[in-house]
Amino acid sequence: EAGVAQSPRYKIIEKRQSVAFWCNPISGHATLYWYQQILGQGPKLLIQFQNNGVVDDSQLPKDRFSAERLKGVDSTLKIQPAKLEDSAVYLCASSLPWTTRAKNIQYFGAGTRLSVL
Amino acid sequence: GENVEQHPSTLSVQEGDSAVIKCTYSDSASNYFPWYKQELGKGPQLIIDIRSNVGEKKDQRIAVTLNKTAKHFSLHITETQPEDSAVYFCAVSWGKLQFGAGTQVVVTP
Repeated sequence: EAGVAQSPRYKIIEKRQSVAFWCNPISGHATLYWYQQILGQGPKLLIQFQNNGVVDDSQLPKDRFSAERLKGVDSTLKIQPAKLEDSAVYLCASSLPWTTRAKNIQYFGAGTRLSVL
Repeated sequence: GENVEQHPSTLSVQEGDSAVIKCTYSDSASNYFPWYKQELGKGPQLIIDIRSNVGEKKDQRIAVTLNKTAKHFSLHITETQPEDSAVYFCAVSWGKLQFGAGTQVVVTP
């Protein structure tokens, strides 16, 4: 079974530039998550999709970050304009349909390492 | 919101010894407690999990214990091997997953 695919693996940009990350979840996984992992910290949830609808985006800095999942499969996360503090690994994860009672086991991709100079 | 504290931040053990990582949480509504292992350049991978109605779970060399009253849970790795070297994250879920800050485990031969 193929895992969660992410691209690119690395990206270096200058502050104020824009950047986009792509994620393809495990086939059949209705729920997709984007996390930000700053060096030395645990992943922090940015946004959660169930199919193509947003379940939780309470920690997404909406003035500069946006995400979409138009057909309920692939997703893109965009940052515009980037700041120095956005340097981090951006992880995508997917799971079977999310419920409050289920385990909601999440499977992670390898991530995109972003460096903002 | 949920607050998850994880200790220690780094752990160095000799091969064959045991390693223990502890986490505490604040929200009594939390009902699911997974542990993830993250190797360099890779995403976190689930290694073991426990639900709130279970006190202990074991899978070969790893085990997790949960004390709901005290709101803490622990990961135990026995007979450590060099391939156990990685960063380990505890997490707490009440629908939304909240991660601890991680423990860097180094197993020296």
